[in-house]
Amino acid sequence: QKEVEQNSGPLSVPEGAIASLNCTYSDRGSQSFFWYRQYSGKSPELIMFIYSNGDKEDGRFTAQLNKASQYVSLLIRDSQPSDSATYLCAVNMFTGGSYIPTFGRGTSLIVHP
Amino acid sequence: DTGVSQDPRHKITKRGQNVTFRCDPISEHNRLYWYRQTLGQGPEFLTYFQNEAQLEKSRLLSDRFSAERPKGSFSTLEIQRTEQGDSAMYLCASSPGDRGFAEQYFGPGTRLTVT
Repeated sequence: QKEVEQNSGPLSVPEGAIASLNCTYSDRGSQSFFWYRQYSGKSPELIMFIYSNGDKEDGRFTAQLNKASQYVSLLIRDSQPSDSATYLCAVNMFTGGSYIPTFGRGTSLIVHP
Repeated sequence: DTGVSQDPRHKITKRGQNVTFRCDPISEHNRLYWYRQTLGQGPEFLTYFQNEAQLEKSRLLSDRFSAERPKGSFSTLEIQRTEQGDSAMYLCASSPGDRGFAEQYFGPGTRLTVT
């Protein structure tokens, strides 16, 4: 069973702090990794994707990938109340015929003023 | 608007009825995916198309579910003989490229309630 694991939270941080969201995955052959934000009752919205080991920064967001440890994380700097949402980690895993996106259950983030 | 669109946004049906959902992907995207999402869970893969070819279906997908993508443009997902357990958000996503590595862009979803 190929899996993506996330702590369901909630993770509560004060406004202006750094929020750190973590994800582990089981398929060592995975090639691409994604973070999505999902507000309650809405569909997932792509935040970032990362393919190579190391850090990738986009504005207040930084994705970090460590393939050896099968670990991907998302840092949100200067967290705002509007960042309060569920953050989904997705990993494209090879199922024998194709690479299929597999999602974690998501981590609920609450940013309090 | 060049994003992914889905229709209808909400559907209430009685158990045993058939329902059909439509997805229009971003026009230049080759891949189209269908997912189901229930409360507290991440999206669960159902099936995907590369252009008009359906290349993979989840082993968890009941025979009551069928999907098409004629001419490689829009796609439909049909659920026959609906059951209460089919109540969920049905999400469509499209993706550029043809190797399965690329990011996906989701539509707004169709929320199905089976009574």
